[in-house]
Formats: sequence, C-alpha cells, structure tokens
Amino acid sequence: DFVVTQSPDSLAVSLGERATINCKSSQSVLYNSNNKNYLAWYQQKPGQPPKLLLYWASTRESGVPDRFSGSGSGTDFTLTISSLQAEDVAVYYCQQYYSTPYTFGQGTKLEIK
Amino acid sequence: QVQLVESGGGLVKPGGSLRLSCAASGFTFSDYYMSWLRQAPGKGLEWVSYLSGSGTPINYVDSVKGRFTISRDNAKNSLYLQMNSLRPEDTAVYYCARANKERAGWFDPWGQGTLVTVSS
Repeated sequence: DFVVTQSPDSLAVSLGERATINCKSSQSVLYNSNNKNYLAWYQQKPGQPPKLLLYWASTRESGVPDRFSGSGSGTDFTLTISSLQAEDVAVYYCQQYYSTPYTFGQGTKLEIK
Repeated sequence: QVQLVESGGGLVKPGGSLRLSCAASGFTFSDYYMSWLRQAPGKGLEWVSYLSGSGTPINYVDSVKGRFTISRDNAKNSLYLQMNSLRPEDTAVYYCARANKERAGWFDPWGQGTLVTVSS
C-alpha cells in the first residue's frame, strides 16, 4: 500500500501570512504515460465533511480561492495558502489515487497564531 | 446543485449488520463512480470502497473485504453499503462521495455522513 505522510501534524500561522503543508508518498504517484500526479488535497472544518481543494496535485477545484495552490511531483508535494484567512482554520488532508487502496495523509491541523 | 444524503447509521452490537444508503441528486448518477469513506472519531480519513457507474468494477480496502458489500441502484439514484460482521474498529462516520466518470480518483462532493457505532 502507498503510505502518505504529512508534515507538520499541526501548524499555527498569523493572519495574512503564508502557510505550507507537506505531503510525502512512499511511492511515486506520477503516472508517466500522462505525466500527471495522482494526488488530491482536501480541507475539513469542524463538524463538516471534507471539501476538495486540488486534484492532479495542482489543479484548483472550481470555486476554491486562488490563495490555495499545490506543487510537487513524484513523491513530494506541498499545499500553500499564500495569505491565511480566518476561514482557513481547518484540518488539511492529502490523498493519493494512483493505486488502491486509496490512502490519505494523517492530516495537518492549521490554526491562527 | 449536487447533493448526497446518507442514512442508516446507528448503534449495533459486534457481529451485527447495518445497511447504509446514500441518496444522490443534482447530477447524472449513473455516469459516475461512487465511493464510501469513513472517519473514526477524532481520527483521519479512510477510503472504504468504490464502484463504477455501471456497477463494476468494484474495489474494497482489505479490512472490509468479505464483510462489506457496495452496490447501487441507478434508477433510484442511490448508493448502498451492506455491512456485516461489524467490529468495534468499524465505528466511524461513514461518508458517501462522488468520484469521477472514468475512475475513482478524487472525491467531490461528500455527504454530511452517518455515524456507525459498534459496541456491546
């Protein structure tokens, strides 16, 4: 199985500052035939289901603010929030969909400093 | 708009059974892979199963193989999860989620979830 590990487990950032969350897969999620990384990012606020932010590692879902961006390839990925807003307080998860069982990182809790 | 509404959760004893349902609306249900995922209390996310728009292929995480069965009724725009031989470690909020047309992939949107508690 693909093991997906996020860092850090929790993060406190000041409003307006940049937040960076890392995600590492135990095996490459880059599919060579289409040069796409099979990785998604989700945001989960308390008491709510997860919400898709990004897929193909860097493609923003419709309606997601452009302060959210994704980067990386192969095994190492990053979710960046360029200017933290109060409504961004949540737990963030990455997920690989290269191979079943689809697996998620353990989550990163983002708070306001 | 796309909406997914789960039902059927509850308290069940170890070894018992439960059937979850997910009512879908706002999109052409039969075109999409659908999936069940779960989240144990205070824990992270776990993919459980998916099936295609036609009903096959189907896939499960190893921990539920032989105990859980995913199915769908495209005429009723509904997804199901039959859960047998339930264990305490199956306690979680179960989410229904839409995947993609070509393969399971990412999940969007998710329903609000239904809580399954396995306890004596």
